[in-house]
Amino acid sequence: QITLKESGPTLVKPTQTLTLTCTFSGFSLSTSGVGVHWIRQPPGKALEWLALIYWNDDKRYSPSLKSRLTITKDTSKNQVVLTMTNMDPVDTATYYCAHQYQPAGPYYYYMDVWGKGTTVTVSS
Amino acid sequence: DIVMTQSPDSLAVSLGERATINCKSSQSVLYSSNNKNYLAWYQQKPGQPPKLLIYWASTRASGVPDRFSGSGSGTDFTLIISSLQAEDVAVYYCHQYYSTPAFGQGTKVEIK
Repeated sequence: QITLKESGPTLVKPTQTLTLTCTFSGFSLSTSGVGVHWIRQPPGKALEWLALIYWNDDKRYSPSLKSRLTITKDTSKNQVVLTMTNMDPVDTATYYCAHQYQPAGPYYYYMDVWGKGTTVTVSS
Repeated sequence: DIVMTQSPDSLAVSLGERATINCKSSQSVLYSSNNKNYLAWYQQKPGQPPKLLIYWASTRASGVPDRFSGSGSGTDFTLIISSLQAEDVAVYYCHQYYSTPAFGQGTKVEIK
């Protein structure tokens, strides 16, 4: 059974850097075809894709946020970390991580299992 | 970037009646080499994360009731709930994974 759980601060100040951790079980990020996404959802608004890291350490970012995002993985700890710099109140959202398995290679795929999300508020 | 537009933004349907949600992509998400539409649908109930309902535009995910069906190809897609149940009250999102992932703005389904 695949599970993912997001963790990180609930409150950050404007201009600070946010660091979120996705801890997962039931799969390995060293398995060919596996990837982990980050997606966010501002209160009452739609989902917004942020970033994806593949088993081979290939990475993809949202073009609009690319300059502020870094995604990394620690295969031994079964974790994926997302950092977002220069936080602003508009970044207030629930942040989700999600699993994908694309057997054909490092391509985008549907997200079959999601974590429950972690809520981040940006305020001074 | 591909933009996903859903319609309507919300709809109210009587229990047992049909609910239809549309999703339009700004570019085709049909990959010609495998003839697959890179389009998924998710259901999000209040306070919960999204749940995968449909992938490849029309394939139901494991455990999804057969009252949910997806159709369409290229740029126009539809999610149908054939007989609305109380537990289907949720926001539904389409998602294209043909290129940089993008979601629709969501469609809220309520009971009339």
